[in-house]
Amino acid sequence: QSVLTQPPSVSGAPGQRVTISCTGSSSNIGTGYGVQWYQQLPGTAPKVLIYDNTNRPSGVPDRFSGSASGTSASLAITGLQAEDEAVYYCQSYESILSGPSQAVFGGGTQLTVL
Amino acid sequence: QVQLQQSGPGLVKPSQTLSITCAISGDRVSSNSATWNWIRQSPSRGLEWLGRTYYRSEWFFDYAVSVKSRITITPDTSKNHFSLQLSSLTPEDTAIYYCARVRAHENWFDPWGQGTLVTVSS
Repeated sequence: QSVLTQPPSVSGAPGQRVTISCTGSSSNIGTGYGVQWYQQLPGTAPKVLIYDNTNRPSGVPDRFSGSASGTSASLAITGLQAEDEAVYYCQSYESILSGPSQAVFGGGTQLTVL
Repeated sequence: QVQLQQSGPGLVKPSQTLSITCAISGDRVSSNSATWNWIRQSPSRGLEWLGRTYYRSEWFFDYAVSVKSRITITPDTSKNHFSLQLSSLTPEDTAIYYCARVRAHENWFDPWGQGTLVTVSS
């Protein structure tokens, strides 16, 4: 049971736009901790696509964009390409009473390019 | 370019201790501007952060509540690596284990190690 909630799957045809939601709570996304998005291709480690809600590392195409509001965040992918087929994860931090904030993840969303 | 290279056994018996090492190139485990993390991934638990170590004039260790009684992360400055030990293993600990860096004042994990599939089975 992941702390952040994502839809298990989304799909779209090449060229289309898809969005993936990430829902948290007042103890994680809602506290103002930034949200990161990762792409995981089969057999590889996750790779960061978006950091601090909206920022793209160098080398990530501008087809990928992020947004956040309140206790939720979203990843949008425009101009869908076959190579975008992967699992996408959101990540943030959660405040805990017993110590420093801890990283938390969503359960992942499988993107299928039809 | 920072790279993380993991090594460790893939099969461990129940009740035993898992031990994986993450060798760092392009950065220092004793850097004042990074934290060094362990994360695991399994079908049942998804991605789960396990803990981290970092150096800020002294060594600090933070562990996830879920594994706090069983986990130890150890930095080794002479070999520039850090290790994960997880004791009292059960089949529920079967997962891919990753090491990853977070730079100071940043919130994302990058880079990641290649992952080590650990199966807990007799």
